[in-house]
Amino acid sequence: SQTIHQWPATLVQPVGSPLSLECTVEGTSNPNLYWYRQAAGRGLQLLFYSVGIGQISSEVPQNLSASRPQDRQFILSSKKLLLSDSGFYLCAWSFTSGRTYEQYFGPGTRLTVT
Amino acid sequence: GESVGLHLPTLSVQEGDNSIINCAYSNSASDYFIWYKQESGKGPQFIIDIRSNMDKRQGQRVTVLLNKTVKHLSLQIAATQPGDSAVYFCAENEDNFNKFYFGSGTKLNVKP
Repeated sequence: SQTIHQWPATLVQPVGSPLSLECTVEGTSNPNLYWYRQAAGRGLQLLFYSVGIGQISSEVPQNLSASRPQDRQFILSSKKLLLSDSGFYLCAWSFTSGRTYEQYFGPGTRLTVT
Repeated sequence: GESVGLHLPTLSVQEGDNSIINCAYSNSASDYFIWYKQESGKGPQFIIDIRSNMDKRQGQRVTVLLNKTVKHLSLQIAATQPGDSAVYFCAENEDNFNKFYFGSGTKLNVKP
């Protein structure tokens, strides 16, 4: 069976500090990968998605970036955090094709920028 | 992305009653929809999906209805239980299964 991991679970960082959130998927190959941000009491905002190693599509302009150095690893980064970067960050994966299009979400990282 | 929103931000129901959560979408080209359930502090979980060539789909205690004419989607939960308390999101997709757009969510409170 497939599993998705995210870490850390919670993070408190000062404004201007760098960020690195990691997401890994087990039990499947060549998944589509996604990063979402969820502000308190709000819906999910798609930030990035990837259909393969080194292939990253950005949905919104921002000071965040994403990378996919390995097939099942997806990293969300920032060089300098802003207060507005606070939120709940969710990584998700889906099958590339031929099966369901359901996205499977990780447990999330709660980021507080102070 | 296109706008996907919900009519009611919160819904309170009595345990055992049926719940109906609504969602409006604005992109008439959307052809695939998913309902997700998100419990506090956790990632969303898939509940049920429906393609635009259907108007109804049933799962275990849940039914999704799609009205393409008015671009409306609903999730019906039968015999609502305390464990159903969560935020429910609809998500839409337009012929591109790489990307989904999520609504803002409806919080369901089940009163014992």
